[in-house]
Amino acid sequence: EAGVTQFPSHSVIEKGQTVTLRCDPISGHDNLYWYRRVMGKEIKFLLHFVKESKQDESGMPNNRFLAERTGGTYSTLKVQPAELEDSGVYFCASSPYSLAGGVADTQYFGPGTRLTVL
Amino acid sequence: DQQVKQNSPSLSVQEGRISILNCDYTNSMFDYFLWYKKYPAEGPTFLISISSIKDKNEDGRFTVFLNKSAKHLSLHIVPSQPGDSAVYFCAAINQAGTALIFGKGTTLSVSS
Repeated sequence: EAGVTQFPSHSVIEKGQTVTLRCDPISGHDNLYWYRRVMGKEIKFLLHFVKESKQDESGMPNNRFLAERTGGTYSTLKVQPAELEDSGVYFCASSPYSLAGGVADTQYFGPGTRLTVL
Repeated sequence: DQQVKQNSPSLSVQEGRISILNCDYTNSMFDYFLWYKKYPAEGPTFLISISSIKDKNEDGRFTVFLNKSAKHLSLHIVPSQPGDSAVYFCAAINQAGTALIFGKGTTLSVSS
């Protein structure tokens, strides 16, 4: 079974440009999460989809970030315009169950996209 | 303000010895904790978890201990192996049950 995949693995852009990150969850997983890790800091939650609906987007830093999950399959995270502080590794995770049931061990992470904003 | 804290950025241990990784949390309402392991260029992978109704959970060489009164948990790896060298993240499920709250991670190096 294929795991969570993310594209691209690495992106280098100039400040002010736009970047779109893509996440393909494990087939059949209704729950999809985006997280970000800035260098040396904790992995921070950005948002949670259940199918195509945003369940919790309280972690989104500001309105320069837009996440979508059309059709409840893959998801994209667009940063427009990118700023220097957006640099970091963006992780996507998927799971068949929500965390509310305390079954987070079924949350599978992708390898991440390393975003560098110059 | 960080709700999950891993105050040791790194730990070095010899093969065969015990590795103890520590984690503190501030929110007494957290009731489910997890440890994730991360190798370079890979995403975190689940290692072991513990519910607040327990004080210990064991899985092979890995044991997690929870001290609720001290808001402290620890991961013990016995015996440590070179393949255990990775970054270990402590995490808690947030109160809404919608997200994981991670610590900054501890880099474990096991030398042979």
